[in-house]
Amino acid sequence: EAQVTQNPRYLITVTGKKLTVTCSQNMNHEYMSWYRQDPGLGLRQIYYSMNVEVTDKGDVPEGYKVSRKEKRNFPLILESPSPNQTSLYFCASSSMRKETQYFGPGTRLLVL
Amino acid sequence: QQQVKQSPQSLIVQKGGISIINCAYENTAFDYFPWYQQFPGKGPALLIAIRPDVSEKKEGRFTISFNKSAKQFSLHIMDSQPGDSATYFCAASIKGSSNTGKLIFGQGTTLQVKP
Repeated sequence: EAQVTQNPRYLITVTGKKLTVTCSQNMNHEYMSWYRQDPGLGLRQIYYSMNVEVTDKGDVPEGYKVSRKEKRNFPLILESPSPNQTSLYFCASSSMRKETQYFGPGTRLLVL
Repeated sequence: QQQVKQSPQSLIVQKGGISIINCAYENTAFDYFPWYQQFPGKGPALLIAIRPDVSEKKEGRFTISFNKSAKQFSLHIMDSQPGDSATYFCAASIKGSSNTGKLIFGQGTTLQVKP
């Protein structure tokens, strides 16, 4: 089954404790990105990657890092989480030839 | 310039009625306008999409109306069903941009269809 998976689905942490949210897709997509969803703001892009070893900032990159060492994986790293990073996070992927983006199930993060 | 404004924030419709969600944009470089449907606990999923060279696209009970001169587009859900209850997001993107997959999302509309 074609899908985007994220782990963990739920995470509660404390300020300053480094964490990683994993994302993996099995569709051989070149393009991957991370969004955060906040009430009244819709989804906003954090980082994106056009292919392996090619990453760039989206609209709200502060406090986040990413890497793309393999085509299928695109982890999101919060080196020192803060309460304003409490949000619902989605990973997405797409082929460079088609616009349809496929979203993962989401990771709900609470930073205390 | 990069914003997409969506209204209403929430919508309650009776079963069998028509649900209408509106979006407006400023950037005339946008050339792809998808609508995503999100159920609780799930990620957004593409529902229907349109390009600016057509004024309307219909797929089953779902229709996008596009007004290029007004820079507005809307989603119409005909014969709304309780199973349509979800959050709907409009979005826009620029295919030829350096960030070709980036979607600019509207704020979202929570639709409730009452039985």
